[in-house]
Amino acid sequence: DVKVTQSSRYLVKRTGEKVFLECVQDMDHENMFWYRQDPGLGLRLIYFSYDVKMKEKGDIPEGYSVSREKKERFSLILESASTNQTSMYLCASSLGDLTTYEQYFGPGTRLTVT
Amino acid sequence: ILNVEQSPQSLHVQEGDSTNFTCSFPSSNFYALHWYRWETAKSPEALFVMTLNGDEKKKGRISATLNTKEGYSYLYIKGSQPEDSATYLCAYRGNQGGKLIFGQGTELSVKP
Repeated sequence: DVKVTQSSRYLVKRTGEKVFLECVQDMDHENMFWYRQDPGLGLRLIYFSYDVKMKEKGDIPEGYSVSREKKERFSLILESASTNQTSMYLCASSLGDLTTYEQYFGPGTRLTVT
Repeated sequence: ILNVEQSPQSLHVQEGDSTNFTCSFPSSNFYALHWYRWETAKSPEALFVMTLNGDEKKKGRISATLNTKEGYSYLYIKGSQPEDSATYLCAYRGNQGGKLIFGQGTELSVKP
């Protein structure tokens, strides 16, 4: 079974802090994704990566950056957390062609910025 | 702006009822349509990935159809069970870019 793990289920940070969300997958998937989920808005793509050290902006990249130094790990960085970044963050991974194959999701990190 | 709409937003049914919901997406430049199930406190799980017009896929009591010419997909659940309670998400991919665009989901609640 594919396993996608995220470093924390719940996280509380203060405004202005730098926040790191880590995601690890164990199935040698090429593609990794970061989404945020807000009520009534569905999943929105923040960034994705189709290879080590490669990254592409999604629909809402502002205020975020990412890092992919190893194939299995994809990190989301909030450079200076703000209250409007309070949300559920989901990581996902998939094989090969970016979106013909199903995505496998982690359990999510619920981030609260106070 | 590409829009993916799901209806209804929420649905409450009794155990044993059959139900269906809709995903509407742009009919032009279609590449793939995904369905996911997201149970509370769990990760979203893929149900189907559909690429061909007229495609019909089935997994147990759940099935899905795809009409790419008119831009909609239906998800059907036959004889709903309480364990079917979840949010069902569809996601569209066009052929100009690799991103998935998700609908806002349909929240299904099945009462015993």
